[in-house]
Amino acid sequence: GNSVTQMEGPVTLSEEAFLTINCTYTATGYPSLFWYVQYPGEGLQLLLKATKADDKGSNKGFEATYRKETTSFHLEKGSVQVSDSAVYFCALIRSGGYQKVTFGTGTKLQVIP
Amino acid sequence: SQTIHQWPATLVQPVGSPLSLECTVEGTSNPNLYWYRQAAGRGLQLLFYSVGIGQISSEVPQNLSASRPQDRQFILSSKKLLLSDSGFYLCAWSVPGAGVPTDTQYFGPGTRLTVL
Repeated sequence: GNSVTQMEGPVTLSEEAFLTINCTYTATGYPSLFWYVQYPGEGLQLLLKATKADDKGSNKGFEATYRKETTSFHLEKGSVQVSDSAVYFCALIRSGGYQKVTFGTGTKLQVIP
Repeated sequence: SQTIHQWPATLVQPVGSPLSLECTVEGTSNPNLYWYRQAAGRGLQLLFYSVGIGQISSEVPQNLSASRPQDRQFILSSKKLLLSDSGFYLCAWSVPGAGVPTDTQYFGPGTRLTVL
């Protein structure tokens, strides 16, 4: 079946540090890949997505590249801010049929001043 | 533009009591609708999804049920709550498109349920 594996948190970084949150996946066919962000007490928001191999999703300084050869979709940001503190979820939508999303377990990021 | 609402925002209920959580979507027609549960410190678990009025599919056997009485209304219910039902419940919608895995799911603000 489909699965998403994220690096375990929490991840604690100083402001302006470089961020990488690893995500690898297992899926049949050609899934679309997503990163969602959840700020404290809120629902999930789409951060970025990529729909085919070698696509790069980007938003708010975050980037992730769909790597089919390594089945990965790692999230990166060059300089994090305190306001980036949140839980980040990697997810995939399998190809075919209705849009059922498989989520990773989430990685909590804490950025300290 | 499309918006999704959930209520109540927070709920504290005793074990054995009934439950009804409501989700409504505005600005779109015939959306796919989803209920997720996020237990403390854990990821999201898909509970139910619906591709149309009266069409409900369950992903996980449990004491919860879902109904879709109207096109843009999705209700999560229970006759008797368990302690393990505590969590953060999220409703989501997406644009229907069978065989097109490119569309995003849009989430509501969530309902935090505490069962005592």
